[in-house]
Amino acid sequence: DAGVTQSPTHLIKTRGQHVTLRCSPISGHKSVSWYQQVLGQGPQFIFQYYEKEERGRGNFPDRFSARQFPNYSSELNVNALLLGDSALYLCASTGGYEQYFGPGTRLTVT
Amino acid sequence: ILNVEQSPQSLHVQEGDSTNFTCSFPSSNFYALHWYRWETAKSPEALFVMTLNGDEKKKGRISATLNTKEGYSYLYIKGSQPEDSATYLCGGGADGLTFGKGTHLIIQP
Repeated sequence: DAGVTQSPTHLIKTRGQHVTLRCSPISGHKSVSWYQQVLGQGPQFIFQYYEKEERGRGNFPDRFSARQFPNYSSELNVNALLLGDSALYLCASTGGYEQYFGPGTRLTVT
Repeated sequence: ILNVEQSPQSLHVQEGDSTNFTCSFPSSNFYALHWYRWETAKSPEALFVMTLNGDEKKKGRISATLNTKEGYSYLYIKGSQPEDSATYLCGGGADGLTFGKGTHLIIQP
């Protein structure tokens, strides 16, 4: 059974551009969460979606948005990229109390 | 959970020795506490989810305890092996987890 998958693995963007990151949860899981991890810090919560509805939002600007599709996959969108958006973006799929993480997308903004 | 702290930040342990580290969190409005092991270039691996005060969980040589009244959890590793080298994260909350900065564990042969 496949775990959480994320694409792309790595991405380089320029300041001001837009980026879309994708996540597919574990089969049967209906909830997806997004986290941002910068060097030296723990992952920071961005969004959680359950059954296509936003269930929670962390302290991130409106440049960050997300959505969940009928097949429970999810996209994270970031507009007007800043250098500070360079980070590892992790997606987690929730089953019961457990959150299972994907390998992440490494975003570099130059 | 608004603030999760982990200590120490990094730890060097000799192979075969046992070790432990701490996760502290606000004791009010507790929901659940998660431990993860995160090796470089891999996904964070779920170790334990703990929900009840006094919980003790074990997976092989790794175990964890939970005290929700005083707001801490300990992770223990018995007889450390080189493959235990990783960053150990704890996080708490209901839906969106709040994580500490992690404890970076290095096992020296």
